[in-house]
Amino acid sequence: SQQGEEDPQALSIQEGENATMNCSYKTSINNLQWYRQNSGRGLVHLILIRSNEREKHSGRLRVTLDTSKKSSSLLITASRAADTASYFCATDAGGNTPLVFGKGTRLSVIA
Amino acid sequence: NAGVTQTPKFQVLKTGQSMTLQCAQDMNHEYMSWYRQDPGMGLRLIHYSVGAGITDQGEVPNGYNVSRSTTEDFPLRLLSAAPSQTSVYFCASSESSGAIYNEQFFGPGTRLTVL
Repeated sequence: SQQGEEDPQALSIQEGENATMNCSYKTSINNLQWYRQNSGRGLVHLILIRSNEREKHSGRLRVTLDTSKKSSSLLITASRAADTASYFCATDAGGNTPLVFGKGTRLSVIA
Repeated sequence: NAGVTQTPKFQVLKTGQSMTLQCAQDMNHEYMSWYRQDPGMGLRLIHYSVGAGITDQGEVPNGYNVSRSTTEDFPLRLLSAAPSQTSVYFCASSESSGAIYNEQFFGPGTRLTVL
């Protein structure tokens, strides 16, 4: 399976600090995506990074991708209490292969 | 646009009962999928469809059937419910699984309990 594995499983930080979550995967990928899930809700797409990209930004989010190490990181800068959620990485190998999700990182931002 | 809708939101079944979880999207997306989410297991793919009339199995298909007669609808059928199928079920859709931009849009989920 090319399932991504997020690390750490859980992370607790103070408001205003930066939060970094990592994702490792096993096989070559086409794209890697990050999603957020608030408690009891569906997942919401945050950012997509293609295999030929190394870094991408969206607001307070910064995603990096290292295909040689088969890993990605999601950085949330200046975190807020509203960032409290679970964060998942998801990978696909292109074509009609389905998206495969990791088990997620639970982020708690304490005000 | 309503996006991806799922019904029901909650359901309690007895072992052996059957039911259908409904999923619909109004974005004309080709690709639709069903996931189950269990504590500590993340999301696991049950079945997916790359277009009307085409379905395929995911990681955990046993005990579930799907069909895709229209672009909009992708129902998930539990033929004979078992306690191991207690979970939260999410339906998702995207423009195309093969597109460069294939953000998945998720429904709000169905929380299923099998007694």
